[in-house]
Amino acid sequence: QKEVEQDPGPLSVPEGAIVSLNCTYSNSAFQYFMWYRQYSRKGPELLMYTYSSGNKEDGRFTAQVDKSSKYISLFIRDSQPSDSATYLCAMRKGAGSYQLTFGKGTKLSVIP
Amino acid sequence: GAGVSQSPSNKVTEKGKDVELRCDPISGHTALYWYRQSLGQGLEFLIYFQGNSAPDKSGLPSDRFSAERTGGSVSTLTIQRTQQEDSAVYLCASSSSTGELFFGEGSRLTVL
Repeated sequence: QKEVEQDPGPLSVPEGAIVSLNCTYSNSAFQYFMWYRQYSRKGPELLMYTYSSGNKEDGRFTAQVDKSSKYISLFIRDSQPSDSATYLCAMRKGAGSYQLTFGKGTKLSVIP
Repeated sequence: GAGVSQSPSNKVTEKGKDVELRCDPISGHTALYWYRQSLGQGLEFLIYFQGNSAPDKSGLPSDRFSAERTGGSVSTLTIQRTQQEDSAVYLCASSSSTGELFFGEGSRLTVL
């Protein structure tokens, strides 16, 4: 079993839809959780950064972490064609840990 | 510069040749990472540099791969005797004490 599992999609939604992206993980030592967005032929850029369980909202984006279920989610409200990209979840262990473990990424297309 | 700069952006080489990929991190960032992204795969950790400490080379896939970081800034990833399975996008990232990784746009390597 891989440490981080993420459905690669592709996921296609109409403009304005609510998008739900998810990752599961197996290592309970993970404490810091991130979502990166990667446009085609570009490097990943950080979208959301959360610590431990709970919700974090930033504009149209909400990140949720449920450590008891080892499950993290990213919600995108009022999705736009400009949100079309690959979304990668990433996580790392304690404060002294520097290595990120990434999911494979979910490719999202928002259709106008 | 304003962001992480990588060169070349694209490299096509013949099997058996050596290649060098360069990364110029964000000024002042003490940590530097190399990741590899293959088609349909997540980001695979290769190597990590932090200040003057010994690098974490645990992700390098074989002894054909090596990396150095000169003067705590620019880094070069070298792949000797390239193989077709080395074809991938090689991503460099840097971070400061916050731990947030900033990625470059990557070097796309194709080994014929």
